Amino acid sequence: DTGVSQDPRHKITKRGQNVTFRCDPISEHNRLYWYRQTLGQGPEFLTYFQNEAQLEKSRLLSDRFSAERPKGSFSTLEIQRTEQGDSAMYLCASSLVVSGATQNTQYFGPGTRLTVL
Amino acid sequence: AQKVTQAQTEISVVEKEDVTLDCVYETRDTTYYLFWYKQPPSGELVFLIRRNSFDEQNEISGRYSWNFQKSTSSFNFTITASQVVDSAVYFCALTRDYKLSFGAGTTVTVRA
Repeated sequence: DTGVSQDPRHKITKRGQNVTFRCDPISEHNRLYWYRQTLGQGPEFLTYFQNEAQLEKSRLLSDRFSAERPKGSFSTLEIQRTEQGDSAMYLCASSLVVSGATQNTQYFGPGTRLTVL
Repeated sequence: AQKVTQAQTEISVVEKEDVTLDCVYETRDTTYYLFWYKQPPSGELVFLIRRNSFDEQNEISGRYSWNFQKSTSSFNFTITASQVVDSAVYFCALTRDYKLSFGAGTTVTVRA
């Protein structure tokens, strides 16, 4: 069973540039989540999808951030006009939630480490 | 609001010592789920255990054991006979449904 994969693993960019990250969830998982983790802290929830529908966005997700999951499989997270404060690890997770259940275990990918110069 | 507190920032032990990681949580929900994840230096969060609020049985898995006490809102994690490979950051997390709320993590260093 292939786990969650993320690409790229590392990204260095200059302030003001746009960046896009990709996440491929575990196949057949219907939920996909994005989290952000800064140094010395636990991950913080950004947004999640149920199939292709984006169901919630955190207040942490400013207008410069956009996420998509167009066919209910892989997802992309784009940051426009990056700022130094965007430097962090961006983690993707996926889970399989069956009808009637509210929660299942989230499995995480290796993350994309973003450095904004 | 949900909150997870891991009061221990760093723990350093010598190999074969036992180490216990504390986790205290706050929630107003009656149904919730608790998790422990391990984050080795490679960065990937590795799932260790999931517990729902109705299951207070302690669990043992190899050298790992977990003590869930609803009365004190705690979900502590013990590594018995620690090994160098246990060196990592360990996170406790809480959720009602889809959003995991993580503690700040405890860095465990096991010295040979």
